[in-house]
Amino acid sequence: DAGITQSPRHKVTETGTPVTLRCHQTENHRYMYWYRQDPGHGLRLIHYSYGVKDTDKGEVSDGYSVSRSKTEDFLLTLESATSSQTSVYFCAIRGRRAGANVLTFGAGSRLTVL
Amino acid sequence: QQQVKQSPQSLIVQKGGISIINCAYENTAFDYFPWYQQFPGKGPALLIAIRPDVSEKKEGRFTISFNKSAKQFSLHIMDSQPGDSATYFCAASMGETSGSRLTFGEGTQLTVNP
Repeated sequence: DAGITQSPRHKVTETGTPVTLRCHQTENHRYMYWYRQDPGHGLRLIHYSYGVKDTDKGEVSDGYSVSRSKTEDFLLTLESATSSQTSVYFCAIRGRRAGANVLTFGAGSRLTVL
Repeated sequence: QQQVKQSPQSLIVQKGGISIINCAYENTAFDYFPWYQQFPGKGPALLIAIRPDVSEKKEGRFTISFNKSAKQFSLHIMDSQPGDSATYFCAASMGETSGSRLTFGEGTQLTVNP
């Protein structure tokens, strides 16, 4: 998927455990994003990054933290997973196409919290 | 608060028919309106996009119609094919000042029957 790799692709965990999802890009893009996808809600932005160590909150950031220590990696951490965080998580990078900023998404990470 | 509302939730069309998906937005600061297509198990992929200074954009069988005064835009798929069966998301962003963050509609599951 256009130089974006998400890991793990699937994870089942228990309530209260910490979880880290990784997004790795090979295209040296400055902007990276984490979205979650839930039925009836579309995709909602959790956090995004505009450079190494530069991050900002999205619309559903509660219960999530992120880190970006190098350009190619953007980590999403659930400090203490809850059942409401069961979702499919998508990472995206921002590139340019036809003069516009375009988001390209990874294949997703499906997280189930029991 | 859903800033981009999408309808219908699901749509069934016969092969060769026209599929129409509608979106309405609230924030007049939005200046970029993409549509994404998502197949099962994959991340969303950019299909077509429009800026508010034009009323229509066509790429092959896909057309976006944009009505700035009504704050509405729609996706038309002409000569719909079974291969078009997917989930479609409209989205909107405010461009560079907002980090190109996309606000998505709820999604429409399109089924094209052969």
